[in-house]
Amino acid sequence: AQSVTQPDIHITVSEGASLELRCNYSYGATPYLFWYVQSPGQGLQLLLKYFSGDTLVQGIKGFEAEFKRSQSSFNLRKPSVHWSDAAEYFCAVGVTSGTYKYIFGTGTRLKVLA
Amino acid sequence: DGGITQSPKYLFRKEGQNVTLSCEQNLNHDAMYWYRQDPGQGLRLIYYSQIVNDFQKGDIAEGYSVSREKKESFPLTVTSAQKNPTAFYLCASSMGGVETQYFGPGTRLLVL
Repeated sequence: AQSVTQPDIHITVSEGASLELRCNYSYGATPYLFWYVQSPGQGLQLLLKYFSGDTLVQGIKGFEAEFKRSQSSFNLRKPSVHWSDAAEYFCAVGVTSGTYKYIFGTGTRLKVLA
Repeated sequence: DGGITQSPKYLFRKEGQNVTLSCEQNLNHDAMYWYRQDPGQGLRLIYYSQIVNDFQKGDIAEGYSVSREKKESFPLTVTSAQKNPTAFYLCASSMGGVETQYFGPGTRLLVL
């Protein structure tokens, strides 16, 4: 079955520290992968996406993610976290088998300490 | 400005009542989606539409209904058959396929 796993429900980091949010997917075909961010009570904003090509993709707000097919992973990273990065982050995979839709992970809530 | 609008921001439902959530987009997107968000459960797909006058059930369609009479609009009705409707509802649109989905600001539905 197709699925996305974000193993960390909550993560707390200090401002200025590096960040890595984990995402693992289960999907038999070529994955189309996305990271979104959601501030409280708001909609989702796209951070970055991977369709093909270079496995290290750059996004907005200084975020990057690396696709590793052998590990079925698409982890999100940022070298230096800012207080404004506190939010919830969702990983998603786009599936094309019989239909076109996204499957979302359950999210990781990031807290940033001053 | 192009974008997706959802209204109202907050909606209150009484027992046995049907309520309709509005979603409008001016991005000229073919596909539109409705998601339900509950704490700790991520986003779950309710209904989606790849083209006008056609829509498909998602993973949790029971107790909900939709229509897609216009490209710009994809309203969601939460019927009285939905016994636990309290949630945050998000609408999204895309060019279709697995192209990037763009999200509206959401509607929070509460039960009186």
